[in-house]
Amino acid sequence: EDQVTQSPEALRLQEGESSSLNCSYTVSGLRGLFWYRQDPGKGPEFLFTLYSAGEEKEKERLKATLTKKESFLHITAPKPEDSATYLCAVRSRGSTLGRLYFGRGTQLTVWP
Amino acid sequence: DTGVSQDPRHKITKRGQNVTFRCDPISEHNRLYWYRQTLGQGPEFLTYFQNEAQLEKSRLLSDRFSAERPKGSFSTLEIQRTEQGDSAMYLCASSSADRDNYGYTFGSGTRLTVV
Repeated sequence: EDQVTQSPEALRLQEGESSSLNCSYTVSGLRGLFWYRQDPGKGPEFLFTLYSAGEEKEKERLKATLTKKESFLHITAPKPEDSATYLCAVRSRGSTLGRLYFGRGTQLTVWP
Repeated sequence: DTGVSQDPRHKITKRGQNVTFRCDPISEHNRLYWYRQTLGQGPEFLTYFQNEAQLEKSRLLSDRFSAERPKGSFSTLEIQRTEQGDSAMYLCASSSADRDNYGYTFGSGTRLTVV
């Protein structure tokens, strides 16, 4: 069965303190790995899609990387406005195009 | 276009009552999805439409749940005989089949509380 595990569950960083979030996955053939950001009371906001090992995507202070078993979301010099829950999701070749499997997320808090 | 719109934002209902939620996707998106999210968990897939065709339903979508997307535009999700376990955030998302790398655009959700 397709599974996604995110770690850590929660992360507190001081402003400017860089770190990485991890997403480990087990799927029957990866057909896309997605990163989302979710603020309290709102729906997830799309960040990146990665399709193959070695691929990298960047947006402002965020950089996502992908290997055959895991993905990392690197946050460089975070600011308090980066505080949110970051969700990882995978789509497998064993399911339809519509179904994403989400992890539980990493709750990031950046304090000044 | 202002994104994916969901209505209502909040719904409190008594156990046993029926509820219906509406989702208006981004107009040029031909795919529409429903997910459910409980506190501390990631969203769970419920169902998926391409245009007006419902292509997949999760086993989470019991016979008390039904979703429609008439004419491939807005969608409704109905829950009959609600139970306390149905309390959750119901999220709708949409995407374009030919722009998969742009991911899904989610709405702000409908928070259902069954008392």
